[in-house]
This record gives sequence, C-alpha cells and structure tokens, in this order.
Amino acid sequence: GENVEQHPSTLSVQEGDSAVIKCTYSDSASNYFPWYKQELGKGPQLIIDIRSNVGEKKDQRIAVTLNKTAKHFSLHITETQPEDSAVYFCAASRGSQGNLIFGKGTKLSVKP
Amino acid sequence: EAQVTQNPRYLITVTGKKLTVTCSQNMNHEYMSWYRQDPGLGLRQIYYSMNVEVTDKGDVPEGYKVSRKEKRNFPLILESPSPNQTSLYFCASSLLTVRKTGELFFGEGSRLTVL
Repeated sequence: GENVEQHPSTLSVQEGDSAVIKCTYSDSASNYFPWYKQELGKGPQLIIDIRSNVGEKKDQRIAVTLNKTAKHFSLHITETQPEDSAVYFCAASRGSQGNLIFGKGTKLSVKP
Repeated sequence: EAQVTQNPRYLITVTGKKLTVTCSQNMNHEYMSWYRQDPGLGLRQIYYSMNVEVTDKGDVPEGYKVSRKEKRNFPLILESPSPNQTSLYFCASSLLTVRKTGELFFGEGSRLTVL
C-alpha cells in the first residue's frame, strides 16, 4: 500500500546549525507534499508545502526540495533556534483523493 | 478566529463504555478527518469525510464510527472502547477542491485512556 518513510526519527543540533529531514513516498500519483510542525501539547501546524510542479520552495529559514523521479522530498531548516525544537511530520497526498498519508515524525532538538 | 475544536481534551474511561469525541470547525471546510497519534507510529488516519453525509475509512478504522450530518461537525464514536484505543486523537479539516489538497487545520487533540 501507500507509504511515507521519514528519517531520522530524532535529530539533535546546536543552535545556529542546519537541520535536514528526509522523506520518501511510494504513490506515483502523489502531487502535494506538506510539512507540519507539532509543538508539545498542540496539534500539528503547516509550516511549508510543495506541489509536484515545483522542485524547491523557500520561506525564510525553511526550504523544501522535491525530487519526483526519486520520490523523495526534504525539509531544510537553516540557522536553527531553540524554538524550532518540535516534532516534524512530512506527508504526501494519496492520488487524486487529496487525502494525506503522514510519515512517522522527527523529533528535532535544538540545543542553545 | 478560525479553529477546530475538540471535546473532551482529556478522558479516562473503562473498557466497553461508549464514548463520543466531538469535533467542530468554523471555516466552512468540506473535508474533515480523524487521526490517532501513537509513539513511534506517527499520525494514522481513522476516518475522513469529503462532505456532508460522505464518509470513508482511513488506515485504522476498526473499532470506530463517524457521522457527518452537518458540515461543521464530525464526531468520532467508540461504541465499545478497548485498551488498544488508548491514544491521542486529532480532528482536522481543510478546503478540498477537485484534485487540489488544501492545508489541514488540526484541533488541539483529545487524550483518551481506556482502562
């Protein structure tokens, strides 16, 4: 069945360093790839997304890249800050339905 | 304020005692969905609804029911809860136009413990 693999499951970086989280997906029909951030005790919130007709998208310190041929996409956070510490989820749409399938999440810790 | 509201936020119950977790959104979204979040397993979809009176199973529907009688509400029903349904539950909604997935807005979560 459809699947989204996310790595690493935990990531610890020093403040100011960059963080990269990678995801692969299996459904060739997927055309929408969002990233969600979940802070402690809260629901996930969208931070950035990319559609299949775009290879890269940037929003200040965060960027997402998409390689449709290889079926993988990545989240890049530059100049990390302690408030970036959270669980990050990648997701991919299921075909034409629009439903999302989520990765298992990455717990990012940014040490001051 | 645009939001998805879930109730209750915390609940401890016993095996077999029927319960309902309510979900309401004020954004006029067509699409609503329920997820459960368990350590190491991420977010798994339970049920979803594309519009009023249209519901469908997600990846882990066993033991759950839903209904969508009004656009704003999407309750999750556990007819006979079991301990393996102890989890953190999230309701979410989005606009969903043809072939174009929209941003999912999540509620704050409902932590359920079944003893």
